[in-house]
Amino acid sequence: AQTVTQSQPEMSVQEAETVTLSCTYDTSENNYYLFWYKQPPSRQMILVIRQEAYKQQNATENRFSVNFQKAAKSFSLKISDSQLGDTAMYFCAFLTSGTYKYIFGTGTRLKVLA
Amino acid sequence: DAGVTQSPTHLIKTRGQHVTLRCSPISGHKSVSWYQQVLGQGPQFIFQYYEKEERGRGNFPDRFSARQFPNYSSELNVNALLLGDSALYLCASSLLGEANEKLFFGSGTQLSVL
Repeated sequence: AQTVTQSQPEMSVQEAETVTLSCTYDTSENNYYLFWYKQPPSRQMILVIRQEAYKQQNATENRFSVNFQKAAKSFSLKISDSQLGDTAMYFCAFLTSGTYKYIFGTGTRLKVLA
Repeated sequence: DAGVTQSPTHLIKTRGQHVTLRCSPISGHKSVSWYQQVLGQGPQFIFQYYEKEERGRGNFPDRFSARQFPNYSSELNVNALLLGDSALYLCASSLLGEANEKLFFGSGTQLSVL
């Protein structure tokens, strides 16, 4: 069975600084997708970034980028130039290709300090 | 355009009762998924529906059921409520429910079972 582990329950970062959130996963599958979702106090989950496992190039979306290490089964999220609006819970998620069951980690609460 | 809408936003029930939660997907989206998010944890997959057919089911007891209507809206039903059913229930929609698609989440229904 697939598992997703986020070992940092809480983190904080100063505004404009860079922070990295960690995620590891376990699977025997070769084709899958990895995601980072943000959940602000409004409770609505918002997709931050997505990575296809078959792509070696790390995904980037503006200030958000990932470090995908397939052999190590690691998928960290880097937030550059942190903004107050980045304050939220961040969830790492895994999806086996061809299935519909997302598996989420337990989340990291990120607080951006002014 | 309206996003994914869920109703009600909050609900209080007592043990043994049943509850119906409702979800309207984004216009044009044909797939709806349901997730349960217990406090302090990541969302857990309950169901996915596409074109009114169940495509996937998570590890939840038969007390949980769902359906999708011709207009693609969906209901999640939970019978014989237990205290442990207290959670945020999230609905997500996507165009076809495929793995490479972006999921759009609603703001959830907070269910409290007393």
